[in-house]
Amino acid sequence: GAVVSQHPSWVICKSGTSVKIECRSLDFQATTMFWYRQFPKQSLMLMATSNEGSKATYEQGVEKDKFLINHASLTLSTLTVTSAHPEDSSFYICSARGGSHNYGYTFGSGTRLTVV
Amino acid sequence: QQQVKQSPQSLIVQKGGISIINCAYENTAFDYFPWYQQFPGKGPALLIAIRPDVSEKKEGRFTISFNKSAKQFSLHIMDSQPGDSATYFCAASGAGGTSYGKLTFGQGTILTVHP
Repeated sequence: GAVVSQHPSWVICKSGTSVKIECRSLDFQATTMFWYRQFPKQSLMLMATSNEGSKATYEQGVEKDKFLINHASLTLSTLTVTSAHPEDSSFYICSARGGSHNYGYTFGSGTRLTVV
Repeated sequence: QQQVKQSPQSLIVQKGGISIINCAYENTAFDYFPWYQQFPGKGPALLIAIRPDVSEKKEGRFTISFNKSAKQFSLHIMDSQPGDSATYFCAASGAGGTSYGKLTFGQGTILTVHP
């Protein structure tokens, strides 16, 4: 149990376009989802916390207008990188909380975003 | 106060040896301490986790040792195998205040197990 599916696993987009990343909890209802960003050989940096049906809470320094988060249901959260630029290229990982598994933190497999 | 400090940054161990990774924290509100394993291009996967009411937890070759008074916890990998070569992250989360529900990660340790 406690599987989180993240899609796509990788995406290449042109500078100035927007990209949507989906995070789905497959076998449990995720009351809370987290979005992380990870640069090569670095740790995970929390970007925002989203609760189903309410606005996301962004960490300090994260542009909420650039990284749009929607948590419209208990099984789906989306992260949209708007007007992407090369500096937004990174590995984005979601985590879902809500199952009985390991206090509820289950991670997706990540999305490698490359902006050219 | 939200930081979790992890060491060493990298670790090389021979097959069959013991790998030890250490973490220290400051926030006494933390009450959940997991360890994650991450392979390149993949999301972190939970290895083992501990709550502060116990000093040690063992699952297979993986053991967490927890020292509440010192605010330190460590991961021991017994009989290390080449397949254990990965990046390991400690983390912590708490039940109160701004730390509630959020995992704070250590800096990561790149483990290489030589055959």
